[in-house]
Amino acid sequence: DAGITQSPRHKVTETGTPVTLRCHQTENHRYMYWYRQDPGHGLRLIHYSYGVKDTDKGEVSDGYSVSRSKTEDFLLTLESATSSQTSVYFCAISLGQEQETQYFGPGTRLLVL
Amino acid sequence: AQSVAQPEDQVNVAEGNPLTVKCTYSVSGNPYLFWYVQYPNRGLQFLLKYITGDNLVKGSYGFEAEFNKSQTSFHLKKPSALVSDSALYFCAVRDKAGTASKLTFGTGTRLQVTL
Repeated sequence: DAGITQSPRHKVTETGTPVTLRCHQTENHRYMYWYRQDPGHGLRLIHYSYGVKDTDKGEVSDGYSVSRSKTEDFLLTLESATSSQTSVYFCAISLGQEQETQYFGPGTRLLVL
Repeated sequence: AQSVAQPEDQVNVAEGNPLTVKCTYSVSGNPYLFWYVQYPNRGLQFLLKYITGDNLVKGSYGFEAEFNKSQTSFHLKKPSALVSDSALYFCAVRDKAGTASKLTFGTGTRLQVTL
């Protein structure tokens, strides 16, 4: 999994509670991404980062925020979880001459009741 | 906006037979195209990519993909399927807007290989 770890791997929470997912990488990659995977939608980009404190929105960013205070960690926060945020969340880094190829972590399965 | 279509939700093939998983794309400019595979309860694994050059791209586990610009397709192929190839396959196209490389994924095709 390209030296990427995600924590927790599984989480059950209640509607309205805040949730933070962590993505950790050990190889100093500059670019990091958060996706969610849902049946019938494939993977959709939530937010991405191109350096410490440098982040931007993806396709489905509403209800999510991110932070990157150090190179190795990229945090995804659901400020007030909703049932529609029940999903599998994947973190990725990119490699290649043009940073074109992404490699994914093992995922976090989140259930919001 | 770029997009990717995988027209088949599921593909069934017998072990030993050739397999094809279809993907068509829509982008402005030159496409960067990718195939990923996902085994149950695992993350996505990179299989292969097309950036430029030969239209036939070879990747991991004996897979290859054929880029066809006139048909805007990037079909995944394997000459002889294995039961262990059973998994979920995603096609993706890259958008290099700004400084990052953002992928747009298809909805996935489940490949079922039977004995």
